This record gives sequence, structure tokens and C-alpha cells, in this order.
Amino acid sequence: EPEVTQTPSHQVTQMGQEVILRCVPISNHLYFYWYRQILGQKVEFLVSFYNNEISEKSEIFDDQFSVERPDGSNFTLKIRSTKLEDSAMYFCASSEAGYTEETQYFGPGTRLLVL
Amino acid sequence: KNEVEQSPQNLTAQEGEFITINCSYSVGISALHWLQQHPGGGIVSLFMLSSGKKKHGRLIATINIQEKHSSLHITASHPRDSAVYICAVRGADGLTFGKGTHLIIQP
Repeated sequence: EPEVTQTPSHQVTQMGQEVILRCVPISNHLYFYWYRQILGQKVEFLVSFYNNEISEKSEIFDDQFSVERPDGSNFTLKIRSTKLEDSAMYFCASSEAGYTEETQYFGPGTRLLVL
Repeated sequence: KNEVEQSPQNLTAQEGEFITINCSYSVGISALHWLQQHPGGGIVSLFMLSSGKKKHGRLIATINIQEKHSSLHITASHPRDSAVYICAVRGADGLTFGKGTHLIIQP
């Protein structure tokens, strides 16, 4: 069964460093999403992406965040200058159609720890 | 901003019991999503609802748009159903998640 994959599964970085989290969505999906979950807290929406551009973003997704689909398979989340409060589990998801129309499939997550 | 409340926060039940988890929201929405988060952290999408009722195996989800309320039911519960169940709503201000209901099914 097709699945969303994410790499790395864990990443430790120093405050101020740039990190890139990678996701490979399901191949025929057109909509891509990033979410985060700070330890012990609820899941939060970051951004959705369609047709090579951001379709929606939350107030969390500020200028230090960016997303890109550099090729036909990968979908990346870049955090330019990490802060301690960026430590969280980051989930990628994809869907065949937009959120109101179709189920999203989640990746296993990347656990980011900023020291 | 939409406020999403789930109840109960924690629920422990015996295997075989009928389980109900509730989700209420404050502002009208276009869709509601039920998700399951396993103890290891992985998230699985269960249902996407915009009206009525959906059933998948032992899981049933209902939504009442007028009352701004949705329920997730599990029939013949099993220890493998133990997880956090999360409600997420899609409204004018975007996607808002509830804090989740932590369900434990004891053998």
C-alpha cells in the first residue's frame, strides 16, 4: 500500500542552524501539508501546498519557514534559523484532492530537537 | 477563532465496550476530520465528514452541523484501539485541532 515517508526520523540541531525536513508524498497526490506537534500538546497546522505554491498557512508559519517541491517526488520544510521552541514532531501529509474533499495520509513524522 | 473541545480527555474501558468520543466546535465549518494517533506518535486518518454519518468497520462517525458537534463511536472495542483520537475542523480561519481523547481499552 502506498505511504508517505519522511526523513530523517530524528534530528538534533543547534539553535540558529538551518534544518531541512524531507517528505515523499504518495505519488499521485497533489496536495501536501506540514503539521507540527510540540511534546504533550495538540497537533498544529503549518502550511498546505498545491500546484507549486502555498495555498494556505497558519500564523506559526512565519518567515523562518519555507516549503519547496524541488523535484517530482520530494516535499521539504526548511527552518532557516532554528529556535528552542521549534523542537517538535513534524508531520507531512498528502491527499489526492483538497482538504475538504479527501482524506489526508500522514507520514511517520520527524522528531526535531533544538539545543 | 474556532474553539475545538473534545470529551472526555481520558477514557479507560474494558474490551468489548461501546465507546463514544465527542467533539464540539464554536464556529461553522466546512469539514471535520477524525484522526487516530498511536502510542508511537504516528497519525492515521479515520474519517473526513461534512455531513451525516460514515462507517468503517467498527468505527462510526457522525456530525450534526446545526449543533456544531461530532461523535466518534467504536463498537466491540479492542485493546488495539488504544490510542489518542483527535478531532480537527476546517473553518474560515483554517484548520484547528482538538487536544485529543486518550483512550485505553483494557483486556
